[in-house]
Amino acid sequence: SQQGEEDPQALSIQEGENATMNCSYKTSINNLQWYRQNSGRGLVHLILIRSNEREKHSGRLRVTLDTSKKSSSLLITASRAADTASYFCATDANTGNQFYFGTGTSLTVIP
Amino acid sequence: GAVVSQHPSWVICKSGTSVKIECRSLDFQATTMFWYRQFPKQSLMLMATSNEGSKATYEQGVEKDKFLINHASLTLSTLTVTSAHPEDSSFYICSADDRSNYGYTFGSGTRLTVV
Repeated sequence: SQQGEEDPQALSIQEGENATMNCSYKTSINNLQWYRQNSGRGLVHLILIRSNEREKHSGRLRVTLDTSKKSSSLLITASRAADTASYFCATDANTGNQFYFGTGTSLTVIP
Repeated sequence: GAVVSQHPSWVICKSGTSVKIECRSLDFQATTMFWYRQFPKQSLMLMATSNEGSKATYEQGVEKDKFLINHASLTLSTLTVTSAHPEDSSFYICSADDRSNYGYTFGSGTRLTVV
């Protein structure tokens, strides 16, 4: 399976703290994306990082990519209660345009 | 931005019946759409790649005769769950490449419950 793995599976933090989630994958990729999903809803695209990029920022989000380790991390700074959701990384196989999702991290931000 | 509309958002059906789920790209054309299935508290599993004007490509372990995919136009792909069983109850989500290079756009999902 090309599905990646994320850790931790669940994370609970206080509002204002930073949250870090990690994603590891198995095959070479072109792109890695992070998505957010509120319970029972569709996915919202957060950020895309290409294989030749090492770090990317978007607002309170910071994503890093280490292709040598086949891993990525998502950092959410100054977390808010509204950030409570599940976060998934998704990777494309080098040879196709399908995206495969990691196992996800369930983030709870306590007000 | 790009919008993908998925319909219905939820459906309850009896065992043995068939259910059709629609995925539409509203403001862009999508030659390729993807169908995912998500069980409670689990990740999204890619079921198949829907190709406009040609046969869908199914992931290993997904029964193509049970999950019929039709991509008849550049803005519409449908997934039909045939002869549904309770174990088919799941959250089905479609996505499409809007060519914006900012990631794929996802529909809001369909909650299928088979009773």
